[in-house]
Amino acid sequence: EPEVTQTPSHQVTQMGQEVILRCVPISNHLYFYWYRQILGQKVEFLVSFYNNEISEKSEIFDDQFSVERPDGSNFTLKIRSTKLEDSAMYFCASTGTGGTGELFFGEGSRLTVL
Amino acid sequence: SQKIEQNSEALNIQEGKTATLTCNYTNYSPAYLQWYRQDPGRGPVFLLLIRENEKEKRKERLKVTFDTTLKQSLFHITASQPADSATYLCAPYTGRRALTFGSGTRLQVQP
Repeated sequence: EPEVTQTPSHQVTQMGQEVILRCVPISNHLYFYWYRQILGQKVEFLVSFYNNEISEKSEIFDDQFSVERPDGSNFTLKIRSTKLEDSAMYFCASTGTGGTGELFFGEGSRLTVL
Repeated sequence: SQKIEQNSEALNIQEGKTATLTCNYTNYSPAYLQWYRQDPGRGPVFLLLIRENEKEKRKERLKVTFDTTLKQSLFHITASQPADSATYLCAPYTGRRALTFGSGTRLQVQP
């Protein structure tokens, strides 16, 4: 069964460092998303991406964040200068064009900022 | 503002019983109501969705109801098993904006 894959599964970084989280969405999907989940809290929407541009972003997705689809398969989330409060699980998700919007999530990348 | 409310307290039930989880929403007009399962440290997994013009939907031991007047969805797991223990998330989907999730209800099924 097709799946969304994410790398790395866990990354530890120092505050102020840049981090890139990578995702390979399901191959025939066209809509891509990043969500995050701080430990013990809810899954929060960060950004959606369609047709090579951001279609929606939340208040969390400030200038420190950026997304890119550098080639036909990868979808990346970059955090320019990490803060302690960026420590969280980051989930990539994708969906097709069926219109019902169900998301297929990856297993997540755990980011720990020290 | 838009709000999605799920019971924040864990639901503990005995194996074999029916678990019923509640999702209430305000300031949404969803075309669909989706339910996901999340295990600790893992990504949410889509379970099933119900359309606004459907009252009830079933999939194996799962049943979802949707009352657009009450702005509520109920999620039932019949003949529950310890393997059903997880956090269950609801998400009203309007089709116009990205999916947002409730905080989830943790279900614990005791053997």
